[in-house]
Amino acid sequence: QKEVEQNSGPLSVPEGAIASLNCTYSDRVSQSFFWYRQYSGKSPELIMSIYSNGDKEDGRFTAQLNKASQYVSLLIRDSQPSDSATYLCAVKGSGGSYIPTFGRGTSLIVHP
Amino acid sequence: KAGVTQTPRYLIKTRGQQVTLSCSPISGHRSVSWYQQTPGQGLQFLFEYFSETQRNKGNFPGRFSGRQFSNSRSEMNVSTLELGDSALYLCASSLNLDEQFFGPGTRLTVL
Repeated sequence: QKEVEQNSGPLSVPEGAIASLNCTYSDRVSQSFFWYRQYSGKSPELIMSIYSNGDKEDGRFTAQLNKASQYVSLLIRDSQPSDSATYLCAVKGSGGSYIPTFGRGTSLIVHP
Repeated sequence: KAGVTQTPRYLIKTRGQQVTLSCSPISGHRSVSWYQQTPGQGLQFLFEYFSETQRNKGNFPGRFSGRQFSNSRSEMNVSTLELGDSALYLCASSLNLDEQFFGPGTRLTVL
């Protein structure tokens, strides 16, 4: 069974700090990796997708992928209180016949 | 471009009733997936439709069903509702069968 593991948190960081969110997955054939942000009472919002080993940067967000270690992370630089949310990691195999597996999410709290 | 829309946003039903939820994907997206989200189980995959065909199905009982129309709009139906069906039901659409974009969800409460 495909599993995606995330620390449930909460992860508490001060405003302006770097928040580091981690995710491990069990299926070695996974090809696509996604990070979603979900505010309380709202639906998940896609932040980043990453497909190749290494780093991918988008504004204050950096996704890091290491397929050998089956590990994907999300770094949030200059964290703001508005970043306080649950961050979901999703992993998908190749091709359209695979469905994504979501982690349970990590709760991030950015305090002023 | 308009996002994914779901109707209704909130629904209250009693045990034994049935419910139909609707989802309109982003224009041009032909893949629609449905998820159930609860505090205890997280985000659970229900089914995925592409061009009116169910391509994938999650591990849910037969009371949960869905369909997709030729305009890519999708509906899901839950029959004989149980208390445990209370959840946020999310629809997600995809252009490339990869990145998914979620609608606002339908909050279903079963009394």
